[in-house]
Amino acid sequence: EIVLTQSPGTLSLSPGERATLSCRASQSVSSSYLAWYQQRPGQAPRLLIYGASIRATGIPDRFSGSGSGTDFTLTISRLEPEDFAVYYCQQYGSSPRCSFGQGTKLEIK
Amino acid sequence: EMQLLESGGGLVQPGGSLRLSCAASGFTFRSYAITWVRQAPGKGLEWVSSISGSDVSTYYADSVKGRFTISRDNSKNTVFLQMNSLRAEDTAIYYCAKDIDQWQRFWAFDIWGQGTMITVSS
Repeated sequence: EIVLTQSPGTLSLSPGERATLSCRASQSVSSSYLAWYQQRPGQAPRLLIYGASIRATGIPDRFSGSGSGTDFTLTISRLEPEDFAVYYCQQYGSSPRCSFGQGTKLEIK
Repeated sequence: EMQLLESGGGLVQPGGSLRLSCAASGFTFRSYAITWVRQAPGKGLEWVSSISGSDVSTYYADSVKGRFTISRDNSKNTVFLQMNSLRAEDTAIYYCAKDIDQWQRFWAFDIWGQGTMITVSS
């Protein structure tokens, strides 16, 4: 069973700073099958990155994804006020077919 | 504009049943897999079930296998989630989401509904 562990649990930063969020898998995940989502309070999740590094339509270029194997990273180069939210990584595999990390809350310092 | 709209949520007693619907518009529905994801109050996202565009393949999380059934009616652009033997731990917002790619090369979900709340309680 593949388990995704995100770190840190909470990240406190100021607007304009750089954010680095980590997602570590208990087994190797194909890069094609690693995605990142943003969820603001009271809203549905929004796809940011798929295929580990491909920005979804309409996503600003301050968001970037990288990584392979068991270690993946979401980077936000310069935080805007609207970026403070919860971020989830998600994988597709054989067992379970699909799973999410527990989330990283990005809060204003 | 591509949209998904869930319905069918509500309050149900433990052991009861409920059927959720996810109505789609703005895209070629039959070409895309649809997934249900749930979120318990104050918790993270949990994958529940997925169905391929052709309806040939279905997938379930272990936590719902044998109790939930996913299906679709491509003539009505709708996916259903039949939920039986409901438990308190099934209480959550249930979202349906569309696969970004019609060949499921990425298993990522680009369009989400607004969610429907299920409360399992006596």
